[in-house]
Amino acid sequence: DSGVTQTPKHLITATGQRVTLRCSPRSGDLSVYWYQQSLDQGLQFLIHYYNGEERAKGNILERFSAQQFPDLHSELNLSSLELGDSALYFCASSPRPGTGNYGYTFGSGTRLTVV
Amino acid sequence: GEDVEQSLFLSVREGDSSVINCTYTDSSSTYLYWYKQEPGAGLQLLTYIFSNMDMKQDQRLTVLLNKKDKHLSLRIADTQTGDSAIYFCAESSYSGGGADGLTFGKGTHLIIQP
Repeated sequence: DSGVTQTPKHLITATGQRVTLRCSPRSGDLSVYWYQQSLDQGLQFLIHYYNGEERAKGNILERFSAQQFPDLHSELNLSSLELGDSALYFCASSPRPGTGNYGYTFGSGTRLTVV
Repeated sequence: GEDVEQSLFLSVREGDSSVINCTYTDSSSTYLYWYKQEPGAGLQLLTYIFSNMDMKQDQRLTVLLNKKDKHLSLRIADTQTGDSAIYFCAESSYSGGGADGLTFGKGTHLIIQP
């Protein structure tokens, strides 16, 4: 157990639908990052939140959005789903600055299948 | 934009050393990482190195960094069947008080021959 919790592990939904993926970071970590892993694109950085605020955006589609709540868990919302959105979605957390630890810890991922 | 390149496959005999190579283009990279992904599993952090270091050793793992050539390598000594996995190289840079996320290579499939 890495300490980063992602739910659900698997999700099957139809095109056009909306889903929400959830992530709880490691205890004490303030940062949450979302990544998408697909066979053709590999691992792509989507978005970074730090202590409730958006810090950086990567290759995130406009149909996708995220937020981080006061208890530091984060949700990634995917809407108007297309077949090409089928992928593994990972969440990662990292220690706060000043700890001297720059490792990113990943959760076990949510496998999204759009049919 | 940033780019991280790795060869797709590496085949080694059990007991030999494995050397997985990676090149990157972002000269502002601050930290460089190696992750391991087994089938159906998440990404396990193996080690990372700060860009002002040349080498880092951790048990069977040795990381070498040539910053001038932007080349990173991961050596696994005495490779075992349990080392069979995909190994990802990644780089990050820090700005404005927060990390901009990791840029990953496509991953190297390490195949162990008995």
